[in-house]
Amino acid sequence: DAGVTQSPTHLIKTRGQQVTLRCSPKSGHDTVSWYQQALGQGPQFIFQYYEEEERQRGNFPDRFSGHQFPNYSSELNVNALLLGDSALYLCASSPGGTYGYTFGSGTRLTVV
Amino acid sequence: DQQVKQNSPSLSVQEGRISILNCDYTNSMFDYFLWYKKYPAEGPTFLISISSIKDKNEDGRFTVFLNKSAKHLSLHIVPSQPGDSAVYFCAASADSNYQLIWGAGTKLIIKP
Repeated sequence: DAGVTQSPTHLIKTRGQQVTLRCSPKSGHDTVSWYQQALGQGPQFIFQYYEEEERQRGNFPDRFSGHQFPNYSSELNVNALLLGDSALYLCASSPGGTYGYTFGSGTRLTVV
Repeated sequence: DQQVKQNSPSLSVQEGRISILNCDYTNSMFDYFLWYKKYPAEGPTFLISISSIKDKNEDGRFTVFLNKSAKHLSLHIVPSQPGDSAVYFCAASADSNYQLIWGAGTKLIIKP
């Protein structure tokens, strides 16, 4: 049973560019959450998607947006990249309404 | 404003002994707490959780203690094994909104 799959695993972008990160949830999970983890820190909640809608959002600017598709997979888009956006981006899926999160291995984004 | 704090960046413990990892929080609205373990290049893996209505929860070698008056929780691992070497994160949630607030993590090193 495949867990959470994230792509790509690594990415280098230039300041000002846009990036799209992808996440396929674990089978049977319908909720997807995205987290940003800077070096030496814990993950920070970006937003959560359920039934193709953003259900909750953390303290991140509008440059961060997302989407959930009918098959429950999700994308995270970041516009106008800043150097400070360099981080590990983690996707977590869960059965709706539970804390049963399964995390992917993350996408390492480097902005230069 | 760090709502969840793990004040020990690292901890070294002899194999077979008890490992105690600590976590403090400031938000009295937190009602659910989780511990995750993270190996390099992998996503966090759920270990154990506790609801605010309890003060202890056990799962095999892992026990979590919650002291609400002190706003403190701890994870005990007995006995510690080499495979326990990883970064351990404490996370908390308020009002069952499923958004997790994370500490910065403690790197546990188990010495043979």
